[in-house]
This record gives sequence, C-alpha cells and structure tokens, in this order.
Amino acid sequence: EAQVTQNPRYLITVTGKKLTVTCSQNMNHEYMSWYRQDPGLGLRQIYYSMNVEVTDKGDVPEGYKVSRKEKRNFPLILESPSPNQTSLYFCASSSARGNGYTFGSGTRLTVV
Amino acid sequence: GENVEQHPSTLSVQEGDSAVIKCTYSDSASNYFPWYKQELGKRPQLIIDIRSNVGEKKDQRIAVTLNKTAKHFSLHITETQPEDSAVYFCAASSENAGNMLTFGGGTRLMVKP
Repeated sequence: EAQVTQNPRYLITVTGKKLTVTCSQNMNHEYMSWYRQDPGLGLRQIYYSMNVEVTDKGDVPEGYKVSRKEKRNFPLILESPSPNQTSLYFCASSSARGNGYTFGSGTRLTVV
Repeated sequence: GENVEQHPSTLSVQEGDSAVIKCTYSDSASNYFPWYKQELGKRPQLIIDIRSNVGEKKDQRIAVTLNKTAKHFSLHITETQPEDSAVYFCAASSENAGNMLTFGGGTRLMVKP
C-alpha cells in the first residue's frame, strides 16, 4: 500500500531534550515536506526537500533540522524543543511533477 | 513567495444546500491548485485538483473552477451531506517554487442535518 509513515503518533517530552520524528514513504517520491498545524494558523511549512541531499527552509524553520540521506526518509529533528513547538506535525510527499501531496498520519507533540 | 488566502474561515450550510469556498493566490506562475479535506483528528486528504490549463473540473458532487486572470479558484460542493463536514484547505504551487505547496488558512464546513 502506498503510504507515508510517521512515528511516533504521540509524543510528550520536556524542554531541551532532543527528539526526532521519523518519516518514510514507499512511493519513490522526490519531494518531501514537513508541516506543522496549529489552531487558526492552518498548515505551515517547516522544511522541504526536492531530492536526496537537497533541503530548504519553509516558512517556519526556526528550531528544526532535517536531513535527506535516502530518498524514502525525511526525519524532523528538534535539537532543543521548547513549549512553542507543541503542535501537530505532518510529513508529506509528492512526485517531482508537483502532484498533490500524500500526508502521513501526523505526530502530536507536546513539549512541557 | 506565494501567498494563498482562503475565505470564509467557517461556513455553515443546511444538508442538501451548496457550499462554495474561495481562494486567491499571488504568484502568477502558480500552475497547480489542489484541494484537501481534513476530518477531525485525521490527515489532510486530496479530494480534487486543477491545473492552470483547465478552467473547471468536476468529480461527482465536487467541482473546482479557476480564473487565472483574477488569480482566483473556488471549490463547489453540491447537495451537501453531514459527512462533508470537515476543514477544507486550498493550495497552490508553481515550478518557480520547486513545486512546493502553499496552503490557504482553511475553511471549517459544517453541514447541519
């Protein structure tokens, strides 16, 4: 089944403790992206990647890192999480032709 | 960069009525316009999309129209049903921006039985 898999689905952590949210797709998509969703603010792009070893900042990249060492994986790294990073995070992927994204199931992160 | 504005932010209709959600975009190079439906607690899912060489596209009760001159596109849902209740997002992308999607702020649609 074609899908984007995110883990974990839920995470509660403490301020400053490094964490990684994993994202993997099995559709051989070139494009991958991370979004955060907050009430009243819609979907805001954090980082995106157009291919292996190619990443770029989205609209709200501060406090986040990403890597794209393999085509299928695009982890989101929070080196020192803060409470304002409490949010619902979605990973998404699409083919190079700019078709619609397939979204993962989401990761609800709470930083206390 | 691209800026997408979406209206209204909330929309309440009676079952069976039509619903229209409107979006405007700023980048004249944008050429792909998808619409996503997000049910409570779930991921956004693509419901329909349109490319800039087409003015209208229909899929059963859902249609999307595009006015490139005005940089405006709309989602039309006819004969609404309670299961249409969700948050709807429009988006736009262009090759200038590496085909990255920029989303509108979302519309919460409530269909009252």
